[in-house]
Amino acid sequence: GENVGLHLPTLSVQEGDNSIINCAYSNSASDYFIWYKQESGKGPQFIIDIRSNMDKRQGQRVTVLLNKTVKHLSLQIAATQPGDSAVYFCAESSNTGGFKTIFGAGTRLFVKA
Amino acid sequence: DAEITQSPRHKITETGRQVTLACHQTWNHNNMFWYRQDLGHGLRLIHYSYGVQDTNKGEVSDGYSVSRSNTEDLPLTLESAASSQTSVYFCASSGPGQGIDTQYFGPGTRLTVL
Repeated sequence: GENVGLHLPTLSVQEGDNSIINCAYSNSASDYFIWYKQESGKGPQFIIDIRSNMDKRQGQRVTVLLNKTVKHLSLQIAATQPGDSAVYFCAESSNTGGFKTIFGAGTRLFVKA
Repeated sequence: DAEITQSPRHKITETGRQVTLACHQTWNHNNMFWYRQDLGHGLRLIHYSYGVQDTNKGEVSDGYSVSRSNTEDLPLTLESAASSQTSVYFCASSGPGQGIDTQYFGPGTRLTVL
């Protein structure tokens, strides 16, 4: 929704630069991680995912890195474009002890033309 | 194309009224979820369902109920709306496994309880 993200961490980058958005996750038993993009007034949109048996996965202009040792996830966006401006948040999932997905609060990305 | 829709997109109601938010998906997904999204919080799970006639409570289920009578729909009911339930509500679906799959989200319903 439009009001989500007013007090979120913000990353401002120049168009064409690379962006790196970080996320610390909480559950060491989480075995599936997803990055979502949310534009104002819209629902979250899947960007890329990674399972815990991997430490890197690449998509089109996006790369996700997973460091299980320090429970850290990052999203790298290459050649950032104005259309990339949105709130980005990570999610961690575990099926241990029942279904559970935890969503981070997100980071707002501003792309300056 | 398969999609997930929510209705209404905006709703204003009064404290104490019963409200039902609709969610309909044509992905033929087994799993459906309801979340609320508030300032300063990530998405918080209200209820979820792994299939027809299955419903489960999430972390913020008090004051909400769901029913799953078919694969496509998971309506969310606020039995007696409270101002604390003013929020943006998102429905999501995933499949075919239980839980560990990418969730696809609807456009959201903004609910205001006066």
